[in-house]
Amino acid sequence: AQSVTQPDIHITVSEGASLELRCNYSYGATPYLFWYVQSPGQGLQLLLKYFSGDTLVQGIKGFEAEFKRSQSSFNLRKPSVHWSDAAEYFCAVGKTSYDKVIFGPGTSLSVIP
Amino acid sequence: DVKVTQSSRYLVKRTGEKVFLECVQDMDHENMFWYRQDPGLGLRLIYFSYDVKMKEKGDIPEGYSVSREKKERFSLILESASTNQTSMYLCASSTLGQGYQPQHFGDGTRLSIL
Repeated sequence: AQSVTQPDIHITVSEGASLELRCNYSYGATPYLFWYVQSPGQGLQLLLKYFSGDTLVQGIKGFEAEFKRSQSSFNLRKPSVHWSDAAEYFCAVGKTSYDKVIFGPGTSLSVIP
Repeated sequence: DVKVTQSSRYLVKRTGEKVFLECVQDMDHENMFWYRQDPGLGLRLIYFSYDVKMKEKGDIPEGYSVSREKKERFSLILESASTNQTSMYLCASSTLGQGYQPQHFGDGTRLSIL
């Protein structure tokens, strides 16, 4: 069965520091992979997606993610974090039938000024 | 921009009540989804619909039903609300297209069942 794990429940970083959020998935075929962000009191916003091709994908707000098939990972990175990046981050894998998505449990990011 | 609107941001109901959560999207999307979000569990799919009057059970459909009479509107119904249905409910929509199309989310309804 498909599943998504995010090993870090909560991460705290200082503003200006680099960030890496981890995501591992279990899926039999080449997956569709996503990162979403949820700011407090809001719905989810798509940061970036991977379907095929270049394994390093660029997203909005300066985020990028790298797909590593050998490690079943799709980690999210940002070179310099801003205070406005404090939010909940969800990794997700897409099923092909009717576009259903499996979400990970989320990682909460706090940013210290 | 796609707009997914959920009718209420906060809702308080009593045990045993029939509760309706409404969701409207303005981009003529074929697919619509209802999730519940609980701390540490991420988002779990309750029901989804890929066309008017069509629906499919998600991972946790028990205690819920849905209605999609018009393409733009997808309603979630709690037939007899219980305290374990206190949660954040998120609606999403997506279009059919070549390959996978990402979902667009509403701002959520925080539902409390007393």
